[in-house]
Amino acid sequence: QSALTQPASVSGSPGQSITISCTGTSSDVGGYNYVSWYQQHPGKAPKLMIYGVTKRPSGVSNRFSGSKSGNTASLTISGLQAEDEADYYCTSYTSSTTWVFGGGTKLTVL
Amino acid sequence: EVQLVESGGGLVQPGGSLRLSCAASGFTVSSNYMNWVRQAPGKGLEWVSVIYTGGTTYYADSVKGRFTISRDNSENTLYLQMNSLRPEDTAVYYCARIPAPCSSTSCPFDYWGQGTLVTVSS
Repeated sequence: QSALTQPASVSGSPGQSITISCTGTSSDVGGYNYVSWYQQHPGKAPKLMIYGVTKRPSGVSNRFSGSKSGNTASLTISGLQAEDEADYYCTSYTSSTTWVFGGGTKLTVL
Repeated sequence: EVQLVESGGGLVQPGGSLRLSCAASGFTVSSNYMNWVRQAPGKGLEWVSVIYTGGTTYYADSVKGRFTISRDNSENTLYLQMNSLRPEDTAVYYCARIPAPCSSTSCPFDYWGQGTLVTVSS
């Protein structure tokens, strides 16, 4: 049950786009379409931003989008805003009938 | 409105036990896949356990044999019994719902509680 691999940090200026990667294996990210992404502000509970690789829950800005290629999923945030500054986590179902999270990525809006 | 409220956290000595509760409202616990996810101070999220609608349970290797997930359908509450606690179990524990059933393309943790802090220290 090794954690999925995410960059520790990414940054961008307001209005720019950034992409956060989430790399696993064929036993998790590559094997299932159950990849989802969560935003977490300090001291708060995680919030669902993307599920089923590409789907956005109601109420989540269309500036957030997801994709997957092979064993790597990605979260793209376009038109960066100050409020997007947070930690982001990916997760996937695994062939071991468990769930695994990524190590998390700290997004800084410059 | 869907709501999850955890309770039961606190300070416990290594080797001790604690039972966490997660009271749900706005939906039925037994009709969904209910999970515990934890976050050590300054660290990332770690999935801990799930209980499916049929009662089947699964655990992360790090807690297998020490933690037990259960639910009380009459109270609409999820529990996590934690035994043989270790300092590395120190974390905020969240309960989180996966709406059942999962489709071929959708199985997210859609609602989370606010978390309860467990500190294991002498």
